[in-house]
Amino acid sequence: EAGVTQSPTHLIKTRGQQATLRCSPISGHTSVYWYQQALGLGLQFLLWYDEGEERNRGNFPPRFSGRQFPNYSSELNVNALELEDSALYLCASRRQYSPGNTIYFGEGSWLTVV
Amino acid sequence: QKEVEQNSGPLSVPEGAIASLNCTYSDRGSQSFFWYRQYSGKSPELIMFIYSNGDKEDGRFTAQLNKASQYVSLLIRDSQPSDSATYLCAVNLYTGANSKLTFGKGITLSVRP
Repeated sequence: EAGVTQSPTHLIKTRGQQATLRCSPISGHTSVYWYQQALGLGLQFLLWYDEGEERNRGNFPPRFSGRQFPNYSSELNVNALELEDSALYLCASRRQYSPGNTIYFGEGSWLTVV
Repeated sequence: QKEVEQNSGPLSVPEGAIASLNCTYSDRGSQSFFWYRQYSGKSPELIMFIYSNGDKEDGRFTAQLNKASQYVSLLIRDSQPSDSATYLCAVNLYTGANSKLTFGKGITLSVRP
């Protein structure tokens, strides 16, 4: 069974540009979570999508947005990039009613803003 | 108070020793608790989860939960150099249809050969 897949693996953007990151959940998983992990900081919750709807949002500005498609894949958009947006962006997925509501992470997308 | 707190590290233990990693959480309504391991430059991988008070064992790993004291710990027996990584504690809180999984900052474990 394929795990959570994310693309691109690495992305370099210039300040002010937009970045789009993509995520495909594990087959059968309907929820997708996005986390940001900046250097020296812990995992910061960004967004949670379930059944195509945004269910919860972390303390990030509106320029961080995303969506979930009918096939449960998701994309994260970051507009007006700032240098401090440089981080590892992790996508995770969860099956509905999974034991303990366990989430499984993809390998992440490294975003560098220069 | 931070929602999920882990001991400031790093933690260094000799090979073969028991490594004890601790985590406290602030919300008494929290219902499930997770330990993830993250190697440098890699994504977190689930070690185990626990949601009932007491101990849960899986191989060399034992998770311990004490809801009254609001702490969860991870014991690693017979520590190996390959266990050297950052360990993340995560706590899940359900409120109606909502679910919030909050991570601690992690503690870096180094196992000395």
